[in-house]
Amino acid sequence: SAVISQKPSRDICQRGTSLTIQCQVDSQVTMMFWYRQQPGQSLTLIATANQGSEATYESGFVIDKFPISRPNLTFSTLTVSNLSPEDSSIYLCSVSGGARNQPQHFGDGTRLSIL
Amino acid sequence: GESVGLHLPTLSVQEGDNSIINCAYSNSASDYFIWYKQESGKGPQFIIDIRSNMDKRQGQRVTVLLNKTVKHLSLQIAATQPGDSAVYFCAENRDAGNMLTFGGGTRLMVKP
Repeated sequence: SAVISQKPSRDICQRGTSLTIQCQVDSQVTMMFWYRQQPGQSLTLIATANQGSEATYESGFVIDKFPISRPNLTFSTLTVSNLSPEDSSIYLCSVSGGARNQPQHFGDGTRLSIL
Repeated sequence: GESVGLHLPTLSVQEGDNSIINCAYSNSASDYFIWYKQESGKGPQFIIDIRSNMDKRQGQRVTVLLNKTVKHLSLQIAATQPGDSAVYFCAENRDAGNMLTFGGGTRLMVKP
C-alpha cells in the first residue's frame, strides 16, 4: 500500500495562530481524507480533499476553520485556523483508491497541542 | 505517548489466549467493513476487511465475523501476543464513495 508521510509529526502552538499540516503520498491516489482524533476518542472525518476543486466538508466542520488544499494526486494540506485549546487533537490524513469498497490507509498523524 | 484509547473500553487477555473484539454497526445498508489497529503514536493500520456477501474471512491469526441480522462485527485474534496490544477500531462504509464511519474503539491489553 501507499506510504503516507505527514508533517509536522507534532507541534505546540499559541492560541489564535494557525497550523498547516502536510500530507505527502508516494504514489498517485484518487481519494484523500482528513480526520480528527480527540484525546481518548475515535476518528471523525473532517473533509474529503478533492483534487482540483474545493474540499467536501462534514457536518460541523467549515472551510474557514479548516481550509484544505489538494493541488495534485499526491499531496494535500490541512490548515487549522484561529487555534483554541479545543483544537488539541491528532489530525490524520488517509488515502484510498477510486474503486468502491477499498480500505483507507493512514499516515501517522500530527499531534497538536495548544497553549 | 498520547492518550489514544485512554477512555475506551478495555479488553485484557493473557498472552497466548484468543481475543475477541466486538463492534455493533448502525447502518443496515453498509456493505463493507474494516478492522484497524492503532498503536500508540501511530496512525490506524489496516488489519482485515469483509464485504457483506460474506459471513467470515480469515487472515494471518485474525478472523472477522459478520452478522448482518443483528448488525454485529467481531475480530478474533488467535494466540494473542504482546505486540497485539493496541486500540482496535471497526469501520463501515458510509455511502457510494469510500467514506468510512468509525466505531468507538476497544483497547486490547495483553498480559505476559
